[in-house]
Amino acid sequence: NAGVTQTPKFRVLKTGQSMTLLCAQDMNHEYMYWYRQDPGMGLRLIHYSVGEGTTAKGEVPDGYNVSRLKKQNFLLGLESAAPSQTSVYFCASSPGLGRVLSTDTQYFGPGTRLTVL
Amino acid sequence: AQSVAQPEDQVNVAEGNPLTVKCTYSVSGNPYLFWYVQYPNRGLQFLLKYITGDNLVKGSYGFEAEFNKSQTSFHLKKPSALVSDSALYFCAVRDPQGASGTYKYIFGTGTRLKVLA
Repeated sequence: NAGVTQTPKFRVLKTGQSMTLLCAQDMNHEYMYWYRQDPGMGLRLIHYSVGEGTTAKGEVPDGYNVSRLKKQNFLLGLESAAPSQTSVYFCASSPGLGRVLSTDTQYFGPGTRLTVL
Repeated sequence: AQSVAQPEDQVNVAEGNPLTVKCTYSVSGNPYLFWYVQYPNRGLQFLLKYITGDNLVKGSYGFEAEFNKSQTSFHLKKPSALVSDSALYFCAVRDPQGASGTYKYIFGTGTRLKVLA
């Protein structure tokens, strides 16, 4: 049971380049999330998904796209990278026990450190 | 709007002394509150959560947290700090009603705990 894994661990991009970050979980969780972590700002939600084939915007979605074609995978795409997207990106998943009174605990991946030059 | 505040960027404590990491929240209705810990170059790990019931919640690694509804606080505590407790601690809140049909968590900005030998 690997939990939540993220690929790659590190990446350096030039401004304007594109890339995709992959998140995979083997816990059969319904919900998945992408966050970015910046100094002094904690974690901010980029996009999230409450099930296969569904995605929704979080707090800071601009410049990112996501897809959840398979329940176990949640992809984060940067179409045209900008220096402001230099950050550490974390994926998380949670069981998603129900729409109301869910008591989800989130499980986090190890993170991807992205630098945009 | 939901919010979480961690008023201290850093907390220093001597090994063997009790520690407290502060968290206050603002949310409509009854909150779901969480504490996570992040060790260097790692993802966040779940420590404990308050959903309902006893105001004193016990979690991993000897940590506990006290929910205080009147003060809207959820401070993390440990009776005797260890050097290995040194890490970044995040408080998070989730609206149990899933405001606006979402299942978002709001994270605080984090508090760095440094336990001195």
